[in-house]
Amino acid sequence: GQSLEQPSEVTAVEGAIVQINCTYQTSGFYGLSWYQQHDGGAPTFLSYNGLDGLEETGRFSSFLSRSDSYGYLLLQELQMKDSASYFCAVREGSYKLIFGSGTRLLVRP
Amino acid sequence: SAVISQKPSRDICQRGTSLTIQCQVDSQVTMMFWYRQQPGQSLTLIATANQGSEATYESGFVIDKFPISRPNLTFSTLTVSNMSPEDSSIYLCSINRDREWNEQFFGPGTRLTVL
Repeated sequence: GQSLEQPSEVTAVEGAIVQINCTYQTSGFYGLSWYQQHDGGAPTFLSYNGLDGLEETGRFSSFLSRSDSYGYLLLQELQMKDSASYFCAVREGSYKLIFGSGTRLLVRP
Repeated sequence: SAVISQKPSRDICQRGTSLTIQCQVDSQVTMMFWYRQQPGQSLTLIATANQGSEATYESGFVIDKFPISRPNLTFSTLTVSNMSPEDSSIYLCSINRDREWNEQFFGPGTRLTVL
């Protein structure tokens, strides 16, 4: 079957670093993506890892280990506006995305 | 980026009725996707709509319940038919830019409540 597991909720302090893990089991795998969704908003793309290793985009980094079926999203210098839900998503085919259950991040002052 | 609009943004409907949701994109794209997201939950792919062919439905979703039209490369509709309270959800359309398969862009969503 298909499953993506991520923590349901994470709380961190403004200015801190937080890591959101994602483990997956899918029938196909082309890569791992991360999306951010604020309450009432649409999901927005953050990053994509097609190969093992770390991808860095500003304060956000994403890591993938295909042999471990594992990835994570790292958020640095947390800001209040980073409070949102974060979804990992496996690109299963040439275009199909399977989303994880989402991690709700709460950033406290 | 991409500009995607959806209509209506929200609606409250009676059980047994149908609602058609429209999705308009600011440029031509080959593939459009329809997702469902229940409040506080993940996104579930309903179907993929290609222009000029039948939509491809995911397991658990059928054409009679969720008919989809894709009359051109910038527009699609999703109909939620014979609604029940279990259909209350947010429905989102999404696109890939052609040849840019790594990133999907989402519309603002349609919040549907069925009484």
